[in-house]
Amino acid sequence: ETGVTQTPRHLVMGMTNKKSLKCEQHLGHNAMYWYKQSAKKPLELMFVYSLEERVENNSVPSRFSPECPNSSHLFLHLHTLQPEDSALYLCASSQDHLFGAGNTIYFGEGSWLTVV
Amino acid sequence: GENVEQHPSTLSVQEGDSAVIKCTYSDSASNYFPWYKQELGKRPQLIIDIRSNVGEKKDQRIAVTLNKTAKHFSLHITETQPEDSAVYFCAAWSGNQFYFGTGTSLTVIP
Repeated sequence: ETGVTQTPRHLVMGMTNKKSLKCEQHLGHNAMYWYKQSAKKPLELMFVYSLEERVENNSVPSRFSPECPNSSHLFLHLHTLQPEDSALYLCASSQDHLFGAGNTIYFGEGSWLTVV
Repeated sequence: GENVEQHPSTLSVQEGDSAVIKCTYSDSASNYFPWYKQELGKRPQLIIDIRSNVGEKKDQRIAVTLNKTAKHFSLHITETQPEDSAVYFCAAWSGNQFYFGTGTSLTVIP
């Protein structure tokens, strides 16, 4: 299944590094998401883009900076992260964001991020 | 906002037995409830979902029930198999986003 692809799958970075996570969806969807998955915690919604416009920013620190150049691509730029930011970052997409009921989201495989 | 609680956090069953995972939610306006299965190192994948105008939905060995009055919904897996071993997440759509449970790690013992 190649509906939502993420790169890199694994990333180790120092606290002073700058890196980016990339997501691409091949489903023709209009909405894309970044979620953070940490052990023993619910999936945390970070950002939502609908038709390339950011519609949600759930109080995410500015060291995470999203970018959506078009409806198929989503980036998460990382800068001066902290060790507690180590987690699995999941990209997802759905047909639409505004009309949610039955609006299934499809996840990518995730990018495992370790901050050292 | 919505609050989704999921229980149990871990569940072990013998192969062939049934498994039940329960989620409760707080926002009576929530109207869509998907369940996701996440195998180790893999992406969460939708396995079944239910809308608020339906009380039960079944797909082969998997079923979901919804009690809107009590604000809870449950995942039922019958005749469990080792390949059912995974983490299962429930979610509720409320307002403009999904709220997820903390996950249940299911182990099916051969």
